[in-house]
Amino acid sequence: DVKVTQSSRYLVKRTGEKVFLECVQDMDHENMFWYRQDPGLGLRLIYFSYDVKMKEKGDIPEGYSVSREKKERFSLILESASTNQTSMYLCASSGTGGFGSRVENIQYFGAGTRLSVL
Amino acid sequence: GQSLEQPSEVTAVEGAIVQINCTYQTSGFYGLSWYQQHDGGAPTFLSYNALDGLEETGRFSSFLSRSDSYGYLLLQELQMKDSASYFCAVRPGMDSSYKLIFGSGTRLLVRP
Repeated sequence: DVKVTQSSRYLVKRTGEKVFLECVQDMDHENMFWYRQDPGLGLRLIYFSYDVKMKEKGDIPEGYSVSREKKERFSLILESASTNQTSMYLCASSGTGGFGSRVENIQYFGAGTRLSVL
Repeated sequence: GQSLEQPSEVTAVEGAIVQINCTYQTSGFYGLSWYQQHDGGAPTFLSYNALDGLEETGRFSSFLSRSDSYGYLLLQELQMKDSASYFCAVRPGMDSSYKLIFGSGTRLLVRP
């Protein structure tokens, strides 16, 4: 079974703190993603990575950065946490097989990190 | 812009059949996926349609009409455990992006 593990289920941070969210996958997947999920807004893509050290901005990258030094690990960084970044953060991974392929279109999600910024 | 529309809530009775629709407007199109998410849980993959027609997986089926930019998820013989949120997601056919665009989700409540 594919496993995507997020380091924390719950985090409470103060405004202005630097926050690191870690994600590890064990399926040797090339693609990894960070989403945030808010009620009524669905999943919104923050950043994704298609290879080690490669990253692309998603729809809402402002206030976030990412790091992918190893294939299995993808980190999301909140440089200076703000209250509007209180949310559920989900990490996902997928394989590579061509843009229309089933393999690339199945994303495996971690359990999520619920972050509260006070 | 790119958008997906699906109903926000659907209620159905145990044992019944329910259909959750999804219409999309995207720059190009590779395929339509469906994910299920229980409260407090992670989204899990249900189905993927790249071509027109119906795909069946047990009690769940998914349909796609590319010409109508429309798809649906059909759940049969509903069970209480099917109460969850269901998201449609589209792989746009633009540049070399690997990303999916998700709808806002449909909350399904199954009543006894």
